[in-house]
Amino acid sequence: EAQVTQNPRYLITVTGKKLTVTCSQNMNHEYMSWYRQDPGLGLRQIYYSMNVEVTDKGDVPEGYKVSRKEKRNFPLILESPSPNQTSLYFCASSRYRWADGELFFGEGSRLTVL
Amino acid sequence: DAKTTQPTSMDCAEGRAANLPCNHSTISGNEYVYWYRQIHSQGPQYIIHGLKNNETNEMASLIITEDRKSSTLILPHATLRDTAVYYCIVRVAQNNAGNMLTFGGGTRLMVKP
Repeated sequence: EAQVTQNPRYLITVTGKKLTVTCSQNMNHEYMSWYRQDPGLGLRQIYYSMNVEVTDKGDVPEGYKVSRKEKRNFPLILESPSPNQTSLYFCASSRYRWADGELFFGEGSRLTVL
Repeated sequence: DAKTTQPTSMDCAEGRAANLPCNHSTISGNEYVYWYRQIHSQGPQYIIHGLKNNETNEMASLIITEDRKSSTLILPHATLRDTAVYYCIVRVAQNNAGNMLTFGGGTRLMVKP
């Protein structure tokens, strides 16, 4: 089954404790992206990748890192999480190098930073 | 990418057609109209997209006006599971200046029994 898988789905952590949210897609897609969703602010893009080893900033990249060492994986790294990074995070992928056509989203990862 | 305007919320009776409007009066000739929906904090789900012509798939129909300044997403027989927030997005293909979907507020569709 074609899917985008995120882990963990739920996480409560404390300020400053490094964490990684994994994202994996099984569709051999070129484009992958991370969004965060906050009440009243909607969905905002954090980072995206058009290909292996190619990543670029979205609208809200501060406090996050990403890597794309393999085509299928696009982990989101919070080196020193802060409470303002409490949010619902979504990973997405597309067969093209752009966010065109059908974008497939994961189920979401709800992160709480205390 | 052009800005879109959608009603904040709409109701629809189960089994009836749901017609969701979207205004994109500043759309340019090479911008596509996309529709996504999000069911209660799940990941957004692609529905349909089009450029000029009307489009139909197994989920919905997309009607784009001749001047392309507005469009309507039609769910022909709405069910309770169609209750969601529906997003209308306008986007230039292969846009390196903004390689993302820009989600606005969307329309909260409530399908009622």
